[in-house]
Amino acid sequence: DAKTTQPPSMDCAEGRAANLPCNHSTISGNEYVYWYRQIHSQGPQYIIHGLKNNETNEMASLIITEDRKSSTLILPHATLRDTAVYYCIVRRGIFNNDMRFGAGTRLTVKP
Amino acid sequence: SQTIHQWPATLVQPVGSPLSLECTVEGTSNPNLYWYRQAAGRGLQLLFYSVGIGQISSEVPQNLSASRPQDRQFILSSKKLLLSDSGFYLCAWRKAGVTYEQYFGPGTRLTVT
Repeated sequence: DAKTTQPPSMDCAEGRAANLPCNHSTISGNEYVYWYRQIHSQGPQYIIHGLKNNETNEMASLIITEDRKSSTLILPHATLRDTAVYYCIVRRGIFNNDMRFGAGTRLTVKP
Repeated sequence: SQTIHQWPATLVQPVGSPLSLECTVEGTSNPNLYWYRQAAGRGLQLLFYSVGIGQISSEVPQNLSASRPQDRQFILSSKKLLLSDSGFYLCAWRKAGVTYEQYFGPGTRLTVT
């Protein structure tokens, strides 16, 4: 599976958009980009995933560059409850039985 | 709806003692099951995963073992705990086949003293 690189930490003002970047320059054609988040002392929570096209759901938007070497998770209106560690994961296909998490980005939403 | 249970929520054990953590999933059948560990301030480390009863894949060599005696039951064990086994243990499940989301349990915080 391709390796991902994320900044260790970011701050965001409450009510503003939070844009979390992820680099995955070695991604291959059948690898998906997944985003999870982990609020303190809880298990990770699935947010969104994508292959090539931009995706949006009720939680966030995922923007994947045309060359697929990087992506950005966007929380359009961050709240204090969005403070968490956000993990970007690149995973081969959709049948894999392993989901490996890196260090992630610690997002702190400030009032 | 599906739910995942883990117990106990917290555990304090002395070095050299045995360990047994249990995870059960309700509301689904034949799930893929996973054990992760998170050391303090670190990311999640995949320890074991299972695609069926009695089928266990180990990701890292260590003094831990896993078993899947029933379809929706996943157990993490150790015969003798080490200080380095302290951490937050998370069980997760994913529906087999074409699926994207992985669901995590509430976790067990283990402190080895």
